[in-house]
Amino acid sequence: SAVISQKPSRDICQRGTSLTIQCQVDSQVTMMFWYRQQPGQSLTLIATANQGSEATYESGFVIDKFPISRPNLTFSTLTVSNMSPEDSSIYLCSVEDPQLAGLNTGELFFGEGSRLTVL
Amino acid sequence: GESVGLHLPTLSVQEGDNSIINCAYSNSASDYFIWYKQESGKGPQFIIDIRSNMDKRQGQRVTVLLNKTVKHLSLQIAATQPGDSAVYFCAETFRDNYGQNFVFGPGTRLSVLP
Repeated sequence: SAVISQKPSRDICQRGTSLTIQCQVDSQVTMMFWYRQQPGQSLTLIATANQGSEATYESGFVIDKFPISRPNLTFSTLTVSNMSPEDSSIYLCSVEDPQLAGLNTGELFFGEGSRLTVL
Repeated sequence: GESVGLHLPTLSVQEGDNSIINCAYSNSASDYFIWYKQESGKGPQFIIDIRSNMDKRQGQRVTVLLNKTVKHLSLQIAATQPGDSAVYFCAETFRDNYGQNFVFGPGTRLSVLP
């Protein structure tokens, strides 16, 4: 299993500002995933962050809007840039089971999420 | 009964009754399926999983059924308790050249009535 800590847990932000969300994992993992969960909706993958390389973004998400850092195997950040009210969501960090990741057969573990409200 | 809310379908059950939450998945190549429970203000938590070579798996008070013919997954919760109130997501996973992919269903809100 993996224990994931996210900061901040929630924030209220002004339009046009940027906020960086931090994700810390208690195990070394190759891939970390960032998801967005808009109010009352399911989880949508934003990007996959590999240590030592640029993040891979899903369709509809771009690096300029959601820059990601992955400086080591236990930490990642997601920045939500130039925020608008439409960015109000829960942002979730996720990792695969560290013991199974190489086999691509494991579940995903999630952090508690960062709830952003943009005014 | 079951109804469609503003975004999430909602299932209301009486405490002590059994709950059945359904999910349709889309990719016939998906080979691993997971049910997650998300309580208010928390991240999704693993409940139970099933691989495509099985059609049923039981846990403690929960059972997952897989019907690959119609690409349908269900979660059964026995003797539903107030603590079961949450949003439940199914996830299908499949592998491609880039690794394991997870696709989440729309979610169902389970409301347990006293």
